Formats: sequence, structure tokens, C-alpha cells
Amino acid sequence: GAVVSQHPSWVICKSGTSVKIECRSLDFQATTMFWYRQFPKQSLMLMATSNEGSKATYEQGVEKDKFLINHASLTLSTLTVTSAHPEDSSFYICSATASVGLFFGSGTQLSVL
Amino acid sequence: EDQVTQSPEALRLQEGESSSLNCSYTVSGLRGLFWYRQDPGKGPEFLFTLYSAGEEKEKERLKATLTKKESFLHITAPKPEDSATYLCAVQAGGNTPLVFGKGTRLSVIA
Repeated sequence: GAVVSQHPSWVICKSGTSVKIECRSLDFQATTMFWYRQFPKQSLMLMATSNEGSKATYEQGVEKDKFLINHASLTLSTLTVTSAHPEDSSFYICSATASVGLFFGSGTQLSVL
Repeated sequence: EDQVTQSPEALRLQEGESSSLNCSYTVSGLRGLFWYRQDPGKGPEFLFTLYSAGEEKEKERLKATLTKKESFLHITAPKPEDSATYLCAVQAGGNTPLVFGKGTRLSVIA
């Protein structure tokens, strides 16, 4: 199947700092990528849809100025959590659509102290 | 509004004890129904996509079926390594994002 690489796998940061998460499609091009957030024992909640070369589309309740998404190429989307706070601690997962289905990265566990 | 409901929330099986997980859905124009496996601390791993009622797909001990209102994931003679959370999701159309259920946490005891 298609491979989506997400980096880093985990990150610990201090409150007020910014964290960047990268999502790459390794063997296919993805014009659209999706960013999800998952709390413990909960399902995936869509945060935003990332479109190559244009602005991301955010779900209701997701602050676009806090969660900056950049999709500069057909194989890379980044999510930057700006001025992170402890309540932003969560598991962040990206996904991309290939011809045979939707594939997910391995996720990034963010812990904000 | 598109909705996905999975049951049970948690399931505990003895090794070799077959069972089924349920995924009920309401969606305006189903493009596809997806099953994923998720291990703790990892992203979902793609298992199956089903597109139309009556369709069935198999992979090792897993078999997924689809009707107009629900999908079942049948697990035959499960092994401890099948323990994971199984997620069901639907896609309404085009390149739209998936809507996920809350998952079923499966534990298979040796």
C-alpha cells in the first residue's frame, strides 16, 4: 500500500513554544491531505483539509491561527502548533489519498508542559 | 449529518473464539466504507474499502461485509496479535474526509 511518513513521532515542548509536524507521501502525490486529532480512547476528529497550493480548510472550532497548515508541494504538508498550551497535548495524525484508498501517517504524540 | 456508530465499544475474546464487530452508518451518498486497525500510539493501518452493498473482502482472519445500513468485520479464530482498536469510517463523496466511528477495542486472550 501507499506510504505516508509523519515526523516526529513524539515531541515534548514548553508552553508557549511552537511545534512543526511534517507529513510526506513517499511513493505517490497527494493534492489533498487531512489532519486529524485524537484524544485517548477517542476516535479521530478532523481538524483541517490541506490542499496543495491553496489555503487549508478548517473544521468548525479549530483555530486557523493556532494550527497553521502549509501544503507547498504534492508530497509534503506541515502542521504547526503555535504558542502551544497543555490543552493542545494530543495525538496528531495526517492522512493522504492514494488511488487505492486513504492512508495514514504513524502519528505524532505532542506533550506540552 | 454523516454518522458512524460502532459496537461494541470493547470486546474481549479467547484465542480461537470467532466474533463480529458492527459499524452502523448514515451518510448522504456513500462513496466508500473503510476499516482500519489501530495499535496504541500509532496511526490507523488500512484494512479494507467497501463500495457497495453486498460486497465482501477478506484478509487473513478478517472478513468485511457491507449492507446499505451497516458493515460487519468478522474475525475468525482470532489470535492475541489481533488485539487492537478497529475503526470504521465512511466517505460521502469526492475527495472528502472520512467520518470515523469511535472504534471497537478488541482484546484476544491466549
